Amino acid sequence: ELKVEQNPLFLSMQEGKNYTIYCNYSTTSDRLYWYRQDPGKSLESLFVLLSNGAVKQEGRLMASLDTKARLSTLHITAAVHDLSATYFCAAPTQGGSEKLVFGKGTKLTVNP
Amino acid sequence: GAGVSQSPSNKVTEKGKDVELRCDPISGHTALYWYRQRLGQGLEFLIYFQGNSAPDKSGLPSDRFSAERTGESVSTLTIQRTQQEDSAVYLCASSFFPDEGYTFGSGTRLTVV
Repeated sequence: ELKVEQNPLFLSMQEGKNYTIYCNYSTTSDRLYWYRQDPGKSLESLFVLLSNGAVKQEGRLMASLDTKARLSTLHITAAVHDLSATYFCAAPTQGGSEKLVFGKGTKLTVNP
Repeated sequence: GAGVSQSPSNKVTEKGKDVELRCDPISGHTALYWYRQRLGQGLEFLIYFQGNSAPDKSGLPSDRFSAERTGESVSTLTIQRTQQEDSAVYLCASSFFPDEGYTFGSGTRLTVV
């Protein structure tokens, strides 16, 4: 059974600092998805990582995927307050429904 | 449509009543998923549709929960005899080609009082 673990679950950081959120998954998966959720809102797609070694960047966020280590990272560079949100990673089950299995989320607070 | 549409956005119901939640996926998206998100929690998978068939219902928590999809389009999630533990946000997502990702609707916030 596919399990997805994120850490940390809570992250408080100062503006201008860098940090990395980690996402581990338990069984083989060739894709990994990152989403952002603001309070009371739905999920916004951030990154779709499709292969081993994939790296994608958007603004101050960069995501990478290592399928051999079953690890994805979301790196935050020079954080700003607007990045405050909950970030979820999700991996699809293989074959069948390819339903997404989500981590518990990382609640990020960026303080001035 | 341009995105995944869900209705109602909010629903307050009395314990024991039945509710219907609607999802209108992106046109042409053959795969449709229902998830539940309890307050402060992650997303729990409920059911998956491919076309009008539901080959994976493994996440439905009890027989009070059912769902259908018609015309390879709109899906309805029905909860019978609602209980307080059913209170959550119910999210729908659709996908045509997983490499392009899964698009989520804005959700229905269900409160059972």
